[in-house]
Amino acid sequence: NAGVMQNPRHLVRRRGQEARLRCSPMKGHSHVYWYRQLPEEGLKFMVYLQKENIIDESGMPKERFSAEFPKEGPSILRIQQVVRGDSAAYFCASLPRGTTTDTQYFGPGTRLTVL
Amino acid sequence: QKEVEQDPGPLSVPEGAIVSLNCTYSNSAFQYFMWYRQYSRKGPELLMYTYSSGNKEDGRFTAQVDKSSKYISLFIRDSQPSDSATYLCAMSINTGTASKLTFGTGTRLQVTL
Repeated sequence: NAGVMQNPRHLVRRRGQEARLRCSPMKGHSHVYWYRQLPEEGLKFMVYLQKENIIDESGMPKERFSAEFPKEGPSILRIQQVVRGDSAAYFCASLPRGTTTDTQYFGPGTRLTVL
Repeated sequence: QKEVEQDPGPLSVPEGAIVSLNCTYSNSAFQYFMWYRQYSRKGPELLMYTYSSGNKEDGRFTAQVDKSSKYISLFIRDSQPSDSATYLCAMSINTGTASKLTFGTGTRLQVTL
């Protein structure tokens, strides 16, 4: 029973490049959340998606960041023209369809380093 | 003021001690409360989940919620070196569908032999 999967686990980019982070939710889960964790800080909500729909993107920076969760395949968090301040651990979490609780299950994270 | 306040520690205790971890919050709309454990360079792992005031016990862990004081706690009995990790409190508003979690900054716990 595979858990939430994220790849890559580590990603190094130079300033100005694009970063693509992937998240495959647990089997049967149709809700995906992305969170960012800066050093010495807690997790901050970024975006909540269901298949082909963005439900809540109130935590997403207005520029350079986008997210999608297509009908087929993993959810993608895309960061264009990365800057040093984007260096962080990015976690996704998933929930099963029809849930009314908020017990989210997290993946191992992608650690992004911007040089 | 942050919505959720949590002492970052570090908190160092000897093996076998009772550990008390706490969070306070300001938003009275929070109704679901969770504790996650995060080992270094790993993802958060759900430990406890509760939605009502009072205590909930699971093995060596007890979660306590006091909505009137906006205060939640996690107690760990008979602490073990393997409990050394960062403990994150998290909470959410009941919107009828799944909603985002708001986290504390985490408390780093070290259990020594």
